[in-house]
Parts: sequence; C-alpha cells; structure tokens
Amino acid sequence: DQQVKQNSPSLSVQEGRISILNCDYTNSMFDYFLWYKKYPAEGPTFLISISSIKDKNEDGRFTVFLNKSAKHLSLHIVPSQPGDSAVYFCAASGNAGNMLTFGGGTRLMVKP
Amino acid sequence: KAGVTQTPRYLIKTRGQQVTLSCSPISGHRSVSWYQQTPGQGLQFLFEYFSETQRNKGNFPGRFSGRQFSNSRSEMNVSTLELGDSALYLCASSPLTSINEQFFGPGTRLTVL
Repeated sequence: DQQVKQNSPSLSVQEGRISILNCDYTNSMFDYFLWYKKYPAEGPTFLISISSIKDKNEDGRFTVFLNKSAKHLSLHIVPSQPGDSAVYFCAASGNAGNMLTFGGGTRLMVKP
Repeated sequence: KAGVTQTPRYLIKTRGQQVTLSCSPISGHRSVSWYQQTPGQGLQFLFEYFSETQRNKGNFPGRFSGRQFSNSRSEMNVSTLELGDSALYLCASSPLTSINEQFFGPGTRLTVL
C-alpha cells in the first residue's frame, strides 16, 4: 500500500519555465511534508518542507503548496534551470519521530 | 560543519554472508535513520535510533538490525545476505530542534552476488 505517490515518473521542462512536481498521500496522520532532490550516486538533499498547519511555503525559486482536503502537495520551481535536473522525492511524516515515507520520485529534466 | 559520512561507499558480498555498514551523523545530531533504496521499492525506512535506543522500525525482516553508540554514530547489520538485499543504503541524521528534516549521507552501495 503506497501511502505517498508521485504519479509522474518524469517531467521535461524548458529552461526559464515553471516546473510543477506533484505528490499525493493517503494517510491522514501525516502532518509534515518534505521535498528532496537526488543526483545519481549521492544521497537526497533536503529542499523545502511544509507543516500541515500551512498551505504554502516559499524558499527562493522553490514553493511548496499543500492541499490537505485533497491530500495533495506540489513543488513549483520558478524559473527552472538546467542544474535543477535531478530526481525529486516527496516525503511525509506523522507523529512517529523521524520515520519518513517517500514517494517513488519524479525525474525532472530541464532543457537549455 | 561536516555532513553525514557513510563507510564503506561500495561493498560486494556473496549470498549468505553478513555485512556491517557505518554512519557518522552531523556533529550534534542525535537521531540517525537508515533507509534502503532499490529500483523496485524506492526509498524505504529501515529504522531510527535516538540516544542509543531504537525509536522506530520499518517493515523489514529481523536479518536487518542496527545500533547507535554514545557518540551518535550508528551501524546497521544485515545477516544471511540475499540477492534482493542489493541496494543503496542511506543514513540520515536530524538535529534535535528540527526533528523532521533529515540530512542524508552519500550512501553505501551494496551488491550481493
């Protein structure tokens, strides 16, 4: 039972345009959501997070939106840059300490 | 501040053997979590240690175990290796003040032949 899903395995975007990565979850107990970026042969790098008491969090070019009623979150990257090309994972946690449940990842390719 | 370090980076073992992987968290971080990444199952939580105690455990067989030392360094052990244990094993540490944001190491790539 996949509690966190990223339904798009890949996304291709032109440099300078907006990249929108989506994530759905099923567990109502999740109250904290994170996005990680991963390059091959490296560990995931933390990007941005959002608590369930908020519906938006911004950090530079990255904005995460949370729609609790739809159990959906999205990561917007504006403007997209070629260096953003990587696999992006969304992750969720509930009350159980630091246990993160990850989605399957979306490979983002930003074309120059 | 130095990041999370994991040793070794690459490891090749044969079926039936056992393996121990090591993780040194970021200085001051007391929580260490382990994850397994495979192409088929993605990133899956193994267990978390906090102050030398296992605080959470994922859905893995008892062949997978871990421990944490008083300096917060952690080891995980896999006994009786199976081909399906081939994976990237990632360690992550968290500061006490931000329990949900985990900082990952580069991982140990384990290949079981």
